[in-house]
Formats: sequence, structure tokens, C-alpha cells
Amino acid sequence: DQQVKQNSPSLSVQEGRISILNCDYTNSMFDYFLWYKKYPAEGPTFLISISSIKDKNEDGRFTVFLNKSAKHLSLHIVPSQPGDSAVYFCAASAFHNAGNMLTFGGGTRLMVKP
Amino acid sequence: DTGVSQDPRHKITKRGQNVTFRCDPISEHNRLYWYRQTLGQGPEFLTYFQNEAQLEKSRLLSDRFSAERPKGSFSTLEIQRTEQGDSAMYLCASSLAQVTVDEQFFGPGTRLTVL
Repeated sequence: DQQVKQNSPSLSVQEGRISILNCDYTNSMFDYFLWYKKYPAEGPTFLISISSIKDKNEDGRFTVFLNKSAKHLSLHIVPSQPGDSAVYFCAASAFHNAGNMLTFGGGTRLMVKP
Repeated sequence: DTGVSQDPRHKITKRGQNVTFRCDPISEHNRLYWYRQTLGQGPEFLTYFQNEAQLEKSRLLSDRFSAERPKGSFSTLEIQRTEQGDSAMYLCASSLAQVTVDEQFFGPGTRLTVL
């Protein structure tokens, strides 16, 4: 069973507007969440993270929101830029797990149109 | 460049052959991870090392798969008697163990095609 789900395989947004990428999880033991961005022919690169003790974390144009009761998180990108076009993966970790292995969602392909 | 490197970047093999991939982590990182990514899916955890010790293995890692990190630096992932279902991108990541969750840095991956 998929413990981390990204239900939108793709999202298209106009440059300058907000991009909202969503992620749901089922495992209540997850206590740390990360977003990774992936360009073609490259490995995923870390974007932003949030601990379960917080409900919001902001870094420049990127903000991640966590709703623990709904087991839902979202990544907001404002304003969106064409260079943001990539596949975005949501990942989760349970800190008590040795090594902090990451469980990834299936990804959302974001296309930002100029 | 001091990022994570993987070799080869692409590998095409025939079913039944053995293949070996190499990962060179960021030099000061003591944790090293292997993930597998199939088309349209996110990466799936395979195994992880802390220094030279292999501490966790996924159920996905059948006994045809073996990973080593002999001196706590580079790692190899070997797949014996490859099957078409092994076709995937194999990603390596490394991190420096932290008190909190450590950020994993990924390499570009090795794309395996089994014919």
C-alpha cells in the first residue's frame, strides 16, 4: 500500500501565479516531511522540509503547510517561474526509524508556462 | 564537484546477466542509501549503510541483490541473474547523520534496462 500519495500526476500554471502541490500520507508514525524537485537526467534535489511539530515552513518562494489531523501537506510556490518546471516529490520519514529512510510519493509534474 | 556520483549512468544488459553499479557519496557523509525508481513512481528505499555497516534492507531487496560499502566510502550494488522487472533507475543518496532527520543528497542515478 502506498503510504505517501500525490494524487495529481501533473499541474500546469501560468508564470507569476501560485503553484500548489498536494500530498497525503497514511502512516501516523511519520514525523518529518520533505519536498524534492527532480529535473530530467538528474537525481532529486532537496527543496524544503517540515517537522511534525510545525504547521508551516517558509523558504523564499516556497512554503510547506502541514495538516496533521488530515494527514495532508502542501507545497506552495509563489510566484511560479518557468525554471520551476520539474517533477516534485513529497517524502516522509519516521525519525525513530534507523537511518531516516524516506518514503516517497509518486510525484507531480509541474509545468510553468511563460 | 563534490556531489554524489554514480557509474555507469546507463546500463543495458540481457536477462540472466549480472550487473554492478557504483556510488561515490559526498566525502564526509557517513550514511549511504540505495533507492529504485520505476517509470511514473517515486523512489523506493532499498537499503542503507552507516559507515561500512548495512543497517537496513527493504523487502524489495531480493536475494539476487547485494550491496556493499567496504571501507565506509563508495558503495556497490550488484544484481545477479537480472530479470526484466529489474529495469529501473537506481539512485544513490548520501547524508551526514544528524540529531534530527538528515538531508539526503542524491546522485544522478544509473538507468538499467534488462532486455
